[in-house]
Amino acid sequence: LAKTTQPISMDSYEGQEVNITCSHNNIATNDYITWYQQFPSQGPRFIIQGYKTKVTNEVASLFIPADRKSSTLSLPRVSLSDTAVYYCLVGDVSNTGKLIFGQGTTLQVKP
Amino acid sequence: GAVVSQHPSRVICKSGTSVKIECRSLDFQATTMFWYRQFPKQSLMLMATSNEGSKATYEQGVEKDKFLINHASLTLSTLTVTSAHPEDSSFYICSAYTSYEQYFGPGTRLTVT
Repeated sequence: LAKTTQPISMDSYEGQEVNITCSHNNIATNDYITWYQQFPSQGPRFIIQGYKTKVTNEVASLFIPADRKSSTLSLPRVSLSDTAVYYCLVGDVSNTGKLIFGQGTTLQVKP
Repeated sequence: GAVVSQHPSRVICKSGTSVKIECRSLDFQATTMFWYRQFPKQSLMLMATSNEGSKATYEQGVEKDKFLINHASLTLSTLTVTSAHPEDSSFYICSAYTSYEQYFGPGTRLTVT
């Protein structure tokens, strides 16, 4: 399973766009990139998943360059309720679905 | 989206006793379920992979005789912490895998006194 590296923490203000970058230099051909959000004392919540280029849903966008060695989660116009830990995971979801969590990025949104 | 439940959400037990945590997929069948534990201010640590009808696969360093996992049906997996000790106090989270996605339960807070 590919190891991921993310910033430990980030600060932002309400209304701003937040971009969290994740490095995964050893990503394998069959690996997908998945981002989860976790609030204290809750299970992780799926945000977005992608394989290459750009993926967008109602809450976020995921940008993946051609070499796939990194990815960037983009949260548009964050609010206080977006304060959470964000995890980037890489794995072959078509196989066992096994995911190994890295340290995650603690995002603090300030008023 | 798919829903995974855990029961209980919170449990306090005395040292030396055993505690069972249930993980259910409510509206889908999951051939594979995963169990994680999370200590305060830390990331989730995968404990084991549970496949319906077969023995669980434990990650390195996780004692299989202490953390008993049973996956009796496609919608239910249980984790039993045997002879619990204060150092087993943690947040236990399960997830169910289907259609290329993992759906996580809300977690169970275990406190061993």
